[in-house]
Amino acid sequence: EDQVTQSPEALRLQEGESSSLNCSYTVSGLRGLFWYRQDPGKGPEFLFTLYSAGEEKEKERLKATLTKKESFLHITAPKPEDSATYLCAVQAENNNDMRFGAGTRLTVKP
Amino acid sequence: DAGITQSPRHKVTETGTPVTLRCHQTENHRYMYWYRQDPGHGLRLIHYSYGVKDTDKGEVSDGYSVSRSKTEDFLLTLESATSSQTSVYFCAISVRRGGVTDTQYFGPGTRLTVL
Repeated sequence: EDQVTQSPEALRLQEGESSSLNCSYTVSGLRGLFWYRQDPGKGPEFLFTLYSAGEEKEKERLKATLTKKESFLHITAPKPEDSATYLCAVQAENNNDMRFGAGTRLTVKP
Repeated sequence: DAGITQSPRHKVTETGTPVTLRCHQTENHRYMYWYRQDPGHGLRLIHYSYGVKDTDKGEVSDGYSVSRSKTEDFLLTLESATSSQTSVYFCAISVRRGGVTDTQYFGPGTRLTVL
């Protein structure tokens, strides 16, 4: 069965303190790995799709990387507005379903 | 913005009553999904649709039914609501914007409380 585990559950950073969020996955053939951002009371907002090991994508202070077993979301010099829950999801080759992790709740203090 | 609206946005109901949630999209996408989100579980797929009158079950479909009579609308029905169905419900559509896979875009959610 496809599984996605995100760690840590919660992360508190000072503004400017860089860190990484982890997404470990097991899937029978990876079609894509997705990162979303979710603000309180809102729906998830799409950030990145990664397709194969070694791939990297960047957007502002965020950089996502992918290996055969995990993905990292690196946050460089975060700002308070980066505070949100970050969700990871995988899609297997044999179907359109997406399996989500429980998320990492990031708080960035000024 | 994927042009997805959900209604109602908030609902409080009593155990045993039927409830219908509506998802509406404006861009004619073929695939639509219903998820529920609970603390510690992340998003879990309830049902999805791959066209008008074409639907299938997801991971947590027990106690839920869906209908899609028009491309733009996907309805989720709780036939007899239970307290375990208290949750936040999200609708999503699937879009292929290049690449080899579809990306799902989510609506704003419906917070349902079953007393």
